[in-house]
Parts: sequence; structure tokens; C-alpha cells
Amino acid sequence: DTAVSQTPKYLVTQMGNDKSIKCEQNLGHDTMYWYKQDSKKFLKIMFSYNNKELIINETVPNRFSPKSPDKAHLNLHINSLELGDSAVYFCASSEQGYYGYTFGSGTRLTVV
Amino acid sequence: RKEVEQDPGPFNVPEGATVAFNCTYSNSASQSFFWYRQDCRKEPKLLMSVYSSGNEDGRFTAQLNRASQYISLLIRDSKLSDSATYLCVVISGGGADGLTFGKGTHLIIQP
Repeated sequence: DTAVSQTPKYLVTQMGNDKSIKCEQNLGHDTMYWYKQDSKKFLKIMFSYNNKELIINETVPNRFSPKSPDKAHLNLHINSLELGDSAVYFCASSEQGYYGYTFGSGTRLTVV
Repeated sequence: RKEVEQDPGPFNVPEGATVAFNCTYSNSASQSFFWYRQDCRKEPKLLMSVYSSGNEDGRFTAQLNRASQYISLLIRDSKLSDSATYLCVVISGGGADGLTFGKGTHLIIQP
């Protein structure tokens, strides 16, 4: 039973489209995150949600918007996709005050 | 200056050898430190936490030097399965602020 699952695993889309990536965790963790790993393999945090509240929001374009319908889900919506958005996006969760993170297996987004 | 810096490698090491690599961090207020491992096209996975007193987990030893702001990882008797990218990770502030990753050190164990 996957702890942090994200879908789709691969996403190929054209420039200008709007797409969403879904993430669900069944660990009962309080905080969920989205990380981006670019072509240079650099992992950087984009957003985190704690109990449905956005607590950090790195300087990412406002075309990216996290949506959390409940504590177990944190979806990532991307509008007007650009070539530079091509990357692997990882969802993660952690228990508040505990530094054990669990990552999803990643979504490889390719914008053509 | 980058927050967490690592030598990207690759480190090519024969099987059975001992290999060590370090990372440095810029934020002196950083509180928690970890080594993560990432295999090709996979998600990062926690390898071990790093404590000032040093800690060992089987063939792996991690060390933290707060005064010099660097973290080390030592792998003894390296196995082919140790081939991966090793990510130095730092948390500054509360855990809810997320992880700050180094770019990773690529390790290749050769038979």
C-alpha cells in the first residue's frame, strides 16, 4: 500500500496547456509538499501545506497553484505551461515536528 | 553562495573500497541534517540522520561539524548497490519549512 502516491507518473503536454498533478498520502501526516527537480537534478521546494494552510510559498510563478481539498491530498495545478516547466515534480509528506519525510515516486513532466 | 554545497562528482570507486564525501551549509542556524539517497529516476529516500556526536548505521558513518558547518558521509566496504546520488539535506527553522537539498554527489561503484 503506497504511502505517498502521485499521478500521473509521466505527463507530456504542449506549451500553453493547463495540467494538474495529484498527490495523496495515507500516513496521517500533517504537512505535504511539492518539490521540483530540474534537468540539473537540483531539488527545490515549491510549496508546503500544513492542515490546509499554505505555510511556505517559494518564489515560483503564479501559474503554479497548490490545492488541498483535505489533509491527505495536495494537488498541483499548472496553467499556461512553458518549456521551462519540464522537470520531475515530487510530492512529499511529513509529520509536524518530525523530520521524517516520505516522497512520492515523482511525475516526469515534459512540455513540448 | 548556495545554501548547501556538495561536490557533484562522479566518484568512481572500486567495490570494497572506502569512500567519503562532504557537504557544507551556509546557514549557521540550521538545526537538522540528513543524508538522502536517490537512485536514477527514483525519489529521494532517507539514508540517515546526522548528529554532532557522529552516528553509524552498518557500513555508513555520518558526522556533523557545526563549527565548520560541514557534514560528512563515510561508506566502508562499498557494494555495487551503493551506486547512487547522495544528497546532503539541511533543515533550518521548523520542520514544516521543508528540506534544503544539496545538488548531490554521484557515486559509481565499479566491479
